[in-house]
Amino acid sequence: DSGVTQTPKHLITATGQRVTLRCSPRSGDLSVYWYQQSLDQGLQFLIQYYNGEERAKGNILERFSAQQFPDLHSELNLSSLELGDSALYFCASSSLAGERGEQYFGPGTRLTVT
Amino acid sequence: GENVEQHPSTLSVQEGDSAVIKCTYSDSASNYFPWYKQELGKRPQLIIDIRSNVGEKKDQRIAVTLNKTAKHFSLHITETQPEDSAVYFCAARSTGANNLFFGTGTRLTVIP
Repeated sequence: DSGVTQTPKHLITATGQRVTLRCSPRSGDLSVYWYQQSLDQGLQFLIQYYNGEERAKGNILERFSAQQFPDLHSELNLSSLELGDSALYFCASSSLAGERGEQYFGPGTRLTVT
Repeated sequence: GENVEQHPSTLSVQEGDSAVIKCTYSDSASNYFPWYKQELGKRPQLIIDIRSNVGEKKDQRIAVTLNKTAKHFSLHITETQPEDSAVYFCAARSTGANNLFFGTGTRLTVIP
């Protein structure tokens, strides 16, 4: 167990809908990263937050947004969902902003868009 | 940005043999190289990492080597066991950057 928690574990929804994925980092970690992993694909970095502020942005669609709250948990919002958004969504946390922080992954949320 | 390539995409070895997975990176400023193991449907788990001021690091049956000049790093697993079967990802991070850039993964199968 990495100490990173994610809810829900599974989510099934229809095209055009909006969902929110939640992540709680390890105790004491200030950074949260979101990754998307499509079937048999690698991990694509979406976005990073550090202590409530957006720190880095990757291949995140405009339909997606995220935020980190004062208690350091983070939410990833996916809207106008398309079939191609079906994937595993992982968050990871680290203790530092970047350079020296190892990233530990949560168990993931499996999103299925029908 | 950083580009990480990983080979092979699949690898089958007999139990007890060694397995080697290789990655190359493009950004000479990259200075941190972790390896993750992902079992089917589970989260990636950090198994070993190396920083650019070190050429080799070993942890029991797992070792990682780094060649900064050639910009490549490798994962070595010795005395493989069936429980080593998983997808392995390499990654790289540049100085001053925050996110990791991942390779496309290697599916390792250890045949009993």
